Amino acid sequence: DAEITQSPRHKITETGRQVTLACHQTWNHNNMFWYRQDLGHGLRLIHYSYGVQDTNKGEVSDGYSVSRSNTEDLPLTLESAASSQTSVYFCASSGGDEQYFGPGTRLTVT
Amino acid sequence: EDQVTQSPEALRLQEGESSSLNCSYTVSGLRGLFWYRQDPGKGPEFLFTLYSAGEEKEKERLKATLTKKESFLHITAPKPEDSATYLCAVQAASGGSYIPTFGRGTSLIVHP
Repeated sequence: DAEITQSPRHKITETGRQVTLACHQTWNHNNMFWYRQDLGHGLRLIHYSYGVQDTNKGEVSDGYSVSRSNTEDLPLTLESAASSQTSVYFCASSGGDEQYFGPGTRLTVT
Repeated sequence: EDQVTQSPEALRLQEGESSSLNCSYTVSGLRGLFWYRQDPGKGPEFLFTLYSAGEEKEKERLKATLTKKESFLHITAPKPEDSATYLCAVQAASGGSYIPTFGRGTSLIVHP
């Protein structure tokens, strides 16, 4: 069965370190998305991609970057982790309308 | 700017007590309205897509309906396993964008 996976599931890092969260999907979807979810804010879009070599900024993109070198993967990099980036991160993919989400990565920045 | 407001924020029901969750939206041309279920510690799980006013979709004890301004998720005779957060999202028709706007969700607890 097709799926979308994220790794690691939990991560603790220190302020200022670079962190990369992995997202891998086997749906063969062109569209992939990264969200963060925080209490009181719901899901907020960080970056998204409509295909290989395509990346776009979402509403909360500062301090984050993504790259898309193949259809299956969209890694999210925090260039210099800040305490404000402590959150739960979800990756999603879509072939058109509805999105399919990964299990999430809980990131704590100390 | 597209907006989605869900109410109530939290809802507690007794098993078997039917109720409805509301999703009010403003969007410049609706492409689709989506309902998702999210269990604690997990990612949202897709439930329904509604495309036009008057459309209805059903799945087990859940029925989603759509008007030009809002959507309802009706839960008939809920069971404790229906406890979850229910998210609503809208996608605008303009510009070929696949970016949905999410509401903050309704947290549903069903007591046995």
